[in-house]
Order: sequence, then C-alpha cells, then structure tokens
Amino acid sequence: GAVVSQHPSWVICKSGTSVKIECRSLDFQATTMFWYRQFPKQSLMLMATSNEGSKATYEQGVEKDKFLINHASLTLSTLTVTSAHPEDSSFYICSAREPPRETQYFGPGTRLLVL
Amino acid sequence: EDQVTQSPEALRLQEGESSSLNCSYTVSGLRGLFWYRQDPGKGPEFLFTLYSAGEEKEKERLKATLTKKESFLHITAPKPEDSATYLCAVIQAGTALIFGKGTTLSVSS
Repeated sequence: GAVVSQHPSWVICKSGTSVKIECRSLDFQATTMFWYRQFPKQSLMLMATSNEGSKATYEQGVEKDKFLINHASLTLSTLTVTSAHPEDSSFYICSAREPPRETQYFGPGTRLLVL
Repeated sequence: EDQVTQSPEALRLQEGESSSLNCSYTVSGLRGLFWYRQDPGKGPEFLFTLYSAGEEKEKERLKATLTKKESFLHITAPKPEDSATYLCAVIQAGTALIFGKGTTLSVSS
C-alpha cells in the first residue's frame, strides 16, 4: 500500500519550453501533496505544498509563476516548469500524505535536463 | 542552526558488521520522526515512523528507536543490498518535514 507514482521519470527539453510532471497516489487519497527538488549529494528541498482544491503554498525563494502546481483531485498533482532554463535542471520528487497520518510517501522522482 | 543532524555523514561496513546511525533533533513539539532509505536516482523509500520517546520499530535487519533528543537506526548483520543513503526527518505541528542531510552507508562483501 501507499504507492506514489511520477511521470515521466526522465525528460529532456530545450530551453524556453514548458514541462509538466505528474504525481499520483495509486492506492490512497492524498489531500496534501508535496513537491521537492534535490541537487546531487544534497538532501531534499521542499518547493511547495499543495492541497486538493486550493492554491499551493510555496516555500520562500520558489517562484510560483515558474513552478505551477495544480492539485485537481485527491490522487493527482501536477508540477509545470514554465519556460525552463538550464538552471532548472534537477531531480524533482513528489510525496503524498495519507490523512490522518503524518507519514509522507514519495514518488520515484523525475530527472529534468534542460538544454 | 540545523534542527536535524545525522551522523556519521558516511559509514563503511563489512557484510555482517552491525552498527548504528544517529539522528539528533532540536525541534519542540515533535509530532513524528521518520526514517527513509534513498537509492541513487530514486525517491526516498519509507521505512519507519516513530511518534514518542521509547518507541521502537523493526523491519528485517533494521530497528529504529526514539528518545526525547535523538533516534537511532540500528543495522544488524548488514548485507551489500543495504547500501543506500538513510534520511531522517521530523515534523512539528503546522510545519513541513525537516530533513537531515543523510548518512550514506556502504556495505562491502
């Protein structure tokens, strides 16, 4: 139980294009989902928290117009990187929380490379 | 000041050589402490949640314990497949997960 999937697992795009990453909770309903970014040999950095049916809450320093988050259903959240640039290249990981527990279950991650 | 500190940063063990990883925390109002395992290029895999001091949980060769200031992840007779980065995270009321920097474990046969 508590499986979270992400799609795609790998994406390469040209600078200036937009990329959408999907995060799904497969066997539970997640009222809250989280998006993280991880640089090589570093720990996870929280980007934003998304609650189903409401606007996402972004961490300080994260551009909400660049990283668009939509949490339209209890099992799906999407992260769109708009007008991607090489500095946006990173490993993006989502997680979902199964209420009422605090435990977050993570997806397998999406590797983004912007050329 | 780090709220979650993991030690050691890296640990090399021989197969079968038991050891412990430490996670110390300074947050107040702890609502949960979590251990995850992360393999290179993958998302963290959930291992344990601990809620109160004195609590212990086990899974195969792993055992997690919790006190009021720290948690230990004990690895008994590790195998090469236990090699990974182990992440500790805590949560306070109304906050997001606060991660430590992780301990990278290498087990050689």
